[in-house]
Amino acid sequence: SQQGEEDPQALSIQEGENATMNCSYKTSINNLQWYRQNSGRGLVHLILIRSNEREKHSGRLRVTLDTSKKSSSLLITASRAADTASYFCATDHSGGSYIPTFGRGTSLIVHP
Amino acid sequence: DGGITQSPKYLFRKEGQNVTLSCEQNLNHDAMYWYRQDPGQGLRLIYYSQIVNDFQKGDIAEGYSVSREKKESFPLTVTSAQKNPTAFYLCASSPLDGRYEQYFGPGTRLTVT
Repeated sequence: SQQGEEDPQALSIQEGENATMNCSYKTSINNLQWYRQNSGRGLVHLILIRSNEREKHSGRLRVTLDTSKKSSSLLITASRAADTASYFCATDHSGGSYIPTFGRGTSLIVHP
Repeated sequence: DGGITQSPKYLFRKEGQNVTLSCEQNLNHDAMYWYRQDPGQGLRLIYYSQIVNDFQKGDIAEGYSVSREKKESFPLTVTSAQKNPTAFYLCASSPLDGRYEQYFGPGTRLTVT
């Protein structure tokens, strides 16, 4: 079963704009992670945020976590054509085996 | 050059044949995972292993088998019992479990006709 669900399913923006994608989940988690996947390739880890953290930054990426709303957002600022990819959130359940469960992803297209 | 490798990149098989996908890591990670990805879908967990000689079924283990005889290697066999084996298969490893980031291989695209 898929724990996290990303929204929107697809996002199309112009280079230089910001891209925001969201992840909602159903049950309490220990950690939430964001990954990126270029077409036909493996996933690359972006950021891990723990349940007691509210915000993390990495370069042009900003991740927030709201455990009261069971949701997270990934913001990519000043997007580039090279940011075109699918983005997935992965969550692991509290009290579980710490095995992450992936959502269906958001497909981001950044037009040059 | 540390990392996780999968081979082959593309694999073609006839229906009814078993096929084994290779996954090797030199990151000294304890945990290894196999996922299946269908077009436009997320990743679904097939099997995972957190220690040598031990592995657990994931959400869609039927029709698949694995072994973990060495820490570095976690091969996946797609058996003839798997009804819809054509998919993109991803192997990953992590230092321990979901509390740590996963490192993914490049994937194997399996086509069964």
